[in-house]
Amino acid sequence: QSVLTQPPSVSAAPGQKVTISCSGSSSNVGSNHVSWYQQLPGTAPKLLIYESNKRPSGIPDRFSGSRSGTSATLGITGLQTGDEADYYCGAWDNNLNSGVFGGGTKLTVL
Amino acid sequence: EVQLLESGGGLVQPGGSLRLSCAASGFAFTSYVMTWVRQAPGKGLEWVSSITDSDGSTFYAHSVKGRFTISRDNSKSTLYLHMNSLRGDDTAVYYCATGRMSGSGLDYWGQGTLVTVSS
Repeated sequence: QSVLTQPPSVSAAPGQKVTISCSGSSSNVGSNHVSWYQQLPGTAPKLLIYESNKRPSGIPDRFSGSRSGTSATLGITGLQTGDEADYYCGAWDNNLNSGVFGGGTKLTVL
Repeated sequence: EVQLLESGGGLVQPGGSLRLSCAASGFAFTSYVMTWVRQAPGKGLEWVSSITDSDGSTFYAHSVKGRFTISRDNSKSTLYLHMNSLRGDDTAVYYCATGRMSGSGLDYWGQGTLVTVSS
């Protein structure tokens, strides 16, 4: 059971938009910034979003992040088949004094 | 170019020990928080431990506290994870990464090293 809750899977057609939610509590998402990671099959995770809504250099603006209260959201527009991957949210938990991840969301581009 | 190269994984018996290393290059190692994350076969990511850049403070997941020790050798730009009393549920690919879970996020990752705990 992950501390952060994500939907197990989402799907959409190429060119469409999808959002992935990340629900936490006041001790993690409610107090600290969220980061998002993309893991393509058989590869190491890659940072997509940091400080809840900032993109590292090289990450296209099709990817966006937001945070409100104890929830965060990753948005992906203009879906491509190459976006098929597992997506994870992560944050620091002040009560646990540890990092926490969501269980991951598998994105299928139909 | 930032490079993180993990090593030290392998097959170990339950109750055994292992030391993972992560050789870093291409960035100012001494200025970065470093983190270990693991992923059991077919499962999601699990944060394991972090060590700060400034004073070497350490943080551990409840599941490994008291059994694992994170350390760093700034003179060698190398991160370590000493793992004792290994159990079957420690079987995973272990990744080292730069950064922290909040703020900057984990911005660079190694390719991972597989640890298998089995008799």
